[in-house]
Amino acid sequence: DVKVTQSSRYLVKRTGEKVFLECVQDMDHENMFWYRQDPGLGLRLIYFSYDVKMKEKGDIPEGYSVSREKKERFSLILESASTNQTSMYLCASTSGGQGSSDEQFFGPGTRLTVL
Amino acid sequence: GENVEQHPSTLSVQEGDSAVIKCTYSDSASNYFPWYKQELGKRPQLIIDIRSNVGEKKDQRIAVTLNKTAKHFSLHITETQPEDSAVYFCAATWGGTYKYIFGTGTRLKVLA
Repeated sequence: DVKVTQSSRYLVKRTGEKVFLECVQDMDHENMFWYRQDPGLGLRLIYFSYDVKMKEKGDIPEGYSVSREKKERFSLILESASTNQTSMYLCASTSGGQGSSDEQFFGPGTRLTVL
Repeated sequence: GENVEQHPSTLSVQEGDSAVIKCTYSDSASNYFPWYKQELGKRPQLIIDIRSNVGEKKDQRIAVTLNKTAKHFSLHITETQPEDSAVYFCAATWGGTYKYIFGTGTRLKVLA
């Protein structure tokens, strides 16, 4: 069973703080993703990574950065949190590679509130 | 850019009736179309998917149909039950990228 975990279920931060959200998967997946989920807007891709130390911008990367130093771990960083970054953040991973499934496996989510 | 439109945004059906959710995609190169179900407070989970070389796929009470010419695909749930109540997301992607474009979601309520 694929397991994707996220460091916190709920997080409350103040405007201007640096925020780290961590995601870990235990199935040796190459590809990892960070989304934010807002009512009426669905799941929007922030950043993704195909390999260690590799990252690509998604649809809404502004105000975020990421880090992937190890294959199993993908971190989302809010350099200076703002109130409009209050949201549910979901991490996902997929194995990739020829012949493998395209299914993305999601973590439980982190509900971040920025005051 | 790539886009996936999903309708309706909310859907209420009586228990036992059928529910249909429709999605339209913009990129004709898209070749993989998954559907995810997200129950309240839980993570999205894959319930069914279809590839572009197939027109229809069925798994018990759920089915997905794909019309490549019109660039739309639909989720069909028959004999709905209260546990089908959730938010459903469609997505489109294309081989080699593993990047999904998600629809905005449909909140399905099955009324007992």
